[in-house]
Amino acid sequence: DQQVKQNSPSLSVQEGRISILNCDYTNSMFDYFLWYKKYPAEGPTFLISISSIKDKNEDGRFTVFLNKSAKHLSLHIVPSQPGDSAVYFCAASGFRTGQNFVFGPGTRLSVLP
Amino acid sequence: GAGVSQSPSNKVTEKGKDVELRCDPISGHTALYWYRQSLGQGLEFLIYFQGNSAPDKSGLPSDRFSAERTGGSVSTLTIQRTQQEDSAVYLCASSPQALTYNEQFFGPGTRLTVL
Repeated sequence: DQQVKQNSPSLSVQEGRISILNCDYTNSMFDYFLWYKKYPAEGPTFLISISSIKDKNEDGRFTVFLNKSAKHLSLHIVPSQPGDSAVYFCAASGFRTGQNFVFGPGTRLSVLP
Repeated sequence: GAGVSQSPSNKVTEKGKDVELRCDPISGHTALYWYRQSLGQGLEFLIYFQGNSAPDKSGLPSDRFSAERTGGSVSTLTIQRTQQEDSAVYLCASSPQALTYNEQFFGPGTRLTVL
């Protein structure tokens, strides 16, 4: 049973528009969430994180929103740029329980010029 | 500074052979993780080392898989009697501490192809 789900395997967005990547989780003990970006032939790189004590975290063009009651988080990229084209992984961990990160299957974002 | 490095970058082997994959974590990082990513799949956790503690092997898919970490630094993932379903990109990551809210720094991965 997948504990972290990214139900959209791919997403295409026009340059300059908003990209919204979604992630759902099932384990209510998860309390820390991260997004990673992965280019082909490279390892994932950390993008942004959010703790369960917050519902929003912003870093430049990237904003992550957390809805704990819905067990849902989303990554917003505004404005989207062609260089944002990559696979985005959502990951969740349980800080209080010491549970290690569980990764979602990823969403491939294509930003079209 | 130097990031996480992995070797080899590519490995092609025949079914039934053993392979060893190496990971050099970032200096000073006490936590080390192995994942694999099969074609079209997400990151699958394999094993986790933290300092001198017993590793968390809960993600290893079978007893053909083993890993060790010598001196709290370099780690080797060994796959014995490889099968075609072992073909994947094997990723190593390290983080400064065992705390689960620390981001992990990933290496470039080793692409394993079992013929």
